[in-house]
Amino acid sequence: GAVVSQHPSRVICKSGTSVKIECRSLDFQATTMFWYRQFPKQSLMLMATSNEGSKATYEQGVEKDKFLINHASLTLSTLTVTSAHPEDSSFYICSAREPSGGTYEQYFGPGTRLTVT
Amino acid sequence: GIQVEQSPPDLILQEGANSTLRCNFSDSVNNLQWFHQNPWGQLINLFYIPSGTKQNGRLSATTVATERYSLLYISSSQTTDSGVYFCAVEQTGGFKTIFGAGTRLFVKA
Repeated sequence: GAVVSQHPSRVICKSGTSVKIECRSLDFQATTMFWYRQFPKQSLMLMATSNEGSKATYEQGVEKDKFLINHASLTLSTLTVTSAHPEDSSFYICSAREPSGGTYEQYFGPGTRLTVT
Repeated sequence: GIQVEQSPPDLILQEGANSTLRCNFSDSVNNLQWFHQNPWGQLINLFYIPSGTKQNGRLSATTVATERYSLLYISSSQTTDSGVYFCAVEQTGGFKTIFGAGTRLFVKA
């Protein structure tokens, strides 16, 4: 199956700083990537849809100025958490759709655990 | 928007037992996937199954799109099957994938 990588896997930052998370599709081109966050013992919540070459589409309640998404190429999307606060601490997961034979199966990165102190 | 309900929310099995996990969805879907989230958080693709039946080793899945449900069968469970199983759907005419709340499975040795 297709492989999606994420970097870093774990990051600790101080309140008020910014953190950038990278998501890469390693063996396929992804015109669309998705960013989710997951709190402990909860499901995945979609934050935004990232489209190559255009602005991201954010879900209701997600601050676009706080969570900056850039889909600069067909294999790379980045999520920057700006002016992070402790409540932003969470597990962030990206995914990419691999269009193959008319299907759009999603593959997920390993996730990034963000802790804001 | 579409609602996705998974049952049971929690399940404890003895190693070797079989189980059935259910996913109900409230509207027609383009895509449906089952995932296993391991203890490290990685989501592993199990099945891409908007309709029909598929099998992969000890796992199989069936989606009855007209009745808006999908089932994941785990046979001869092993301790390594422990984790959270998610059903995720893409609503017809939509583009984003919505996850159910998951079934948390623990298999005892």
